[in-house]
Amino acid sequence: DAGVTQSPTHLIKTRGQQVTLRCSPKSGHDTVSWYQQALGQGPQFIFQYYEEEERQRGNFPDRFSGHQFPNYSSELNVNALLLGDSALYLCASSLGLGQAYNEQFFGPGTRLTVL
Amino acid sequence: AQSVTQPDIHITVSEGASLELRCNYSYGATPYLFWYVQSPGQGLQLLLKYFSGDTLVQGIKGFEAEFKRSQSSFNLRKPSVHWSDAAEYFCAVARRTTSGTYKYIFGTGTRLKVLA
Repeated sequence: DAGVTQSPTHLIKTRGQQVTLRCSPKSGHDTVSWYQQALGQGPQFIFQYYEEEERQRGNFPDRFSGHQFPNYSSELNVNALLLGDSALYLCASSLGLGQAYNEQFFGPGTRLTVL
Repeated sequence: AQSVTQPDIHITVSEGASLELRCNYSYGATPYLFWYVQSPGQGLQLLLKYFSGDTLVQGIKGFEAEFKRSQSSFNLRKPSVHWSDAAEYFCAVARRTTSGTYKYIFGTGTRLKVLA
């Protein structure tokens, strides 16, 4: 059973560019959450998708957007990249909406470097 | 505002020594609490979690944590540290949002170094 997978593993972009990160949830999971982990920090919640809709959003600007597909996979898009967007982006999947006791499983992350 | 505090940024212990990593949270309701470990360049691995019931929780790799409501703490412990335990450790709390979902709030992490 494949866990949460993310692509690409690493990515280098320049300021002002746009980037798309991809996540496939663990088999059977229908909820995807995205987190940003800057160097030396804990992960910060970006947003969460369920039934192809954004259900909750953290304190991130509109440059950060996402999408969830019918197969529950998800994309994170970041427009007009800033140097401060350099971070490890983690995707987490879980089952069901509002079910905290269902563990969130994290993927290995995508390391984004903005030059 | 809800937060998670990990007071120790770095901790160094000798192999075979005991370990305690501190975590304090602020949350009005009964918290759902987690400890994760992250090796360099890797994702997060769940060590253990607390939802309710017994306040002493056993996890993987010989770790345990104790929930103390009176102290708003959820400290992680291990009786004998192995060199392979060197990593970064994150405490997290699941917070219910206005839309009925849950999001995780993480502490800033504690980096553990193990001396041979």
